[in-house]
Amino acid sequence: DAGITQSPRHKVTETGTPVTLRCHQTENHRYMYWYRQDPGHGLRLIHYSYGVKDTDKGEVSDGYSVSRSKTEDFLLTLESATSSQTSVYFCASSDSFEEKLFFGSGTQLSVL
Amino acid sequence: KNEVEQSPQNLTAQEGEFITINCSYSVGISALHWLQQHPGGGIVSLFMLSSGKKKHGRLIATINIQEKHSSLHITASHPRDSAVYICAVGTSGSRLTFGEGTQLTVNP
Repeated sequence: DAGITQSPRHKVTETGTPVTLRCHQTENHRYMYWYRQDPGHGLRLIHYSYGVKDTDKGEVSDGYSVSRSKTEDFLLTLESATSSQTSVYFCASSDSFEEKLFFGSGTQLSVL
Repeated sequence: KNEVEQSPQNLTAQEGEFITINCSYSVGISALHWLQQHPGGGIVSLFMLSSGKKKHGRLIATINIQEKHSSLHITASHPRDSAVYICAVGTSGSRLTFGEGTQLTVNP
């Protein structure tokens, strides 16, 4: 499997604070994605990147921003965390939209 | 309404049984993915297919493009197959849409 790691694995934070989640891949994949997973919903795309400095919004992008300064790193920032952003966040990477996805282990984020 | 519907939502089987999980979608697609999410939360890609059938070990995935339907079969099921199985579809050049998943429990 592709080397893709997320950090941190768990985080508890307070409402209103900024939070940054990091995704690192070693497979030189062009595409990287941030998803959130909540009960009653499938995985939902927050933002994705199709190259260094090239990013686009997904279906649930409000309150989130991303940056990709290097091929291997994709950062997700919650600008001012809210309780509705309590979720499990997954990073993934692939060579293209039509190619196999490789997932990180997930980050459990709790916003109190 | 989700563009991707999976059935059943929950499935309990006895070890050794043949298992089928279904996925129906409402739009034309370029590829369909089957993923497995382990009890610990990690997600692994099982198959990606755009036509026909693929087989890996005891797992078989089929897709019928005309009927907009895919099935994931597990032969000789084992307790270690217990996981959530997720179907996702993609249209050309566009992001994936995920189903909510099927929780499979295989009892010894």
